[in-house]
Amino acid sequence: KAGVTQTPRYLIKTRGQQVTLSCSPISGHRSVSWYQQTPGQGLQFLFEYFSETQRNKGNFPGRFSGRQFSNSRSEMNVSTLELGDSALYLCASSLEAAFFSGNTIYFGEGSWLTVV
Amino acid sequence: DAKTTQPNSMESNEEEPVHLPCNHSTISGTDYIHWYRQLPSQGPEYVIHGLTSNVNNRMASLAIAEDRKSSTLILHRATLRDAAVYYCILRGPQGGSEKLVFGKGTKLTVNP
Repeated sequence: KAGVTQTPRYLIKTRGQQVTLSCSPISGHRSVSWYQQTPGQGLQFLFEYFSETQRNKGNFPGRFSGRQFSNSRSEMNVSTLELGDSALYLCASSLEAAFFSGNTIYFGEGSWLTVV
Repeated sequence: DAKTTQPNSMESNEEEPVHLPCNHSTISGTDYIHWYRQLPSQGPEYVIHGLTSNVNNRMASLAIAEDRKSSTLILHRATLRDAAVYYCILRGPQGGSEKLVFGKGTKLTVNP
């Protein structure tokens, strides 16, 4: 069974540009969550999508957005990039809603974004 | 949100058991205790989870205190591949808007 796949793995962008990251969940999983990980802040929740609807959202500015397609694949977009957006962006999928207590969530290997 | 407290770092020798503690004194009755680990340059990997009873799987064992205010992840025989940051997290319904909270975790070093 293929795991969570994220593309691209590495990318470098210039301040002010925008970026789109893609995530393909495990087959059959309907929930996709996104996280930002930095050395200083640790792992922080961005948002969760379930059946194409955003269910939960973390405390990030509106420059961070996402969507989920009918095949459960998801994309996240960051507009007007800032230097502080440099981070590892992780996608995770689960069978049902990610925050249902007993569900296991599976992470991808992440997309490393560097903003210069 | 219920929080967890873990030691910043621990060391172990290869082939020896490792006990990774986690305190969660404000845990609610519906919170599950989950453990994840993250190897360098990789995404977090699920290890184990439980609610009240001790749990075992092929990777580890989870021992949950009777009052559920603490738990211990047990790696029975540490290998070099177990060197990672281990996160203890609580997951459960909280006011209708749940947010997965990862703390700093415990960095486990395994010595050959």
